[in-house]
Amino acid sequence: QSALTQPASVSGSPGQSITISCTGTSSNIGSYNLVSWYQQHPGKAPKLMIYDVTKRPSGVSDRFSGSKSGNTASLTISGLQAEDEADYYCCSYAGSGTLLFGGGTKLTVL
Amino acid sequence: QVQLVESGGGVVQPGRSLRLSCAASGFTFSTSGMHWVRQAPGKGLEWVAVIWHDGTTKYYTDSVKGRFAVSRDNSKNTLYLQMDSLRAEDTAVYYCARDGHCISTMCYFFDYWGQGTLVTVSS
Repeated sequence: QSALTQPASVSGSPGQSITISCTGTSSNIGSYNLVSWYQQHPGKAPKLMIYDVTKRPSGVSDRFSGSKSGNTASLTISGLQAEDEADYYCCSYAGSGTLLFGGGTKLTVL
Repeated sequence: QVQLVESGGGVVQPGRSLRLSCAASGFTFSTSGMHWVRQAPGKGLEWVAVIWHDGTTKYYTDSVKGRFAVSRDNSKNTLYLQMDSLRAEDTAVYYCARDGHCISTMCYFFDYWGQGTLVTVSS
């Protein structure tokens, strides 16, 4: 299967809100509420930010939120902070026990 | 606290084999599904394989089917990835990751990650 589609880069100023989209198909995002989002700083392991489309693990700031419409999931970060600058990856269950990542989005905080 | 520690990476020639290990601690390993995820240098994340908590069910991404085998030893709290017939395109940091803590079933997200081990396939 092809990777989920994310914008290569997004940017925003401190305090602003940004949204990262993640587009799949009816075979993955469109069929399951099993979308998760990960934050990765350079040289570090990824960190879970959102799971099951909208749920936030304990310890993750409520500035991070997730949603889904049809075959597209979205991650919104409000009140941008310098430490939010990182790569972000979406991931969806794709059936038959398999998972599919997006290509990743580099977030720059201006 | 949950800890996942990968080992076994290194430089290997194309066509050769390598076995990665992931030592788990801080949770009941035998009730958690486990995944391998890789990241080629400068590239994005790619899901590689999953094994259910009891080892009875395994799934792989298409590019490694027939070459890689995931296994686990619940008595040793250890996850493995046997990689055979390695290719240059398998060069990556390999992470083990715990499936979200849905006891004895699958959640299909990754709530804890190891620090990764680098595999370089080169002649």
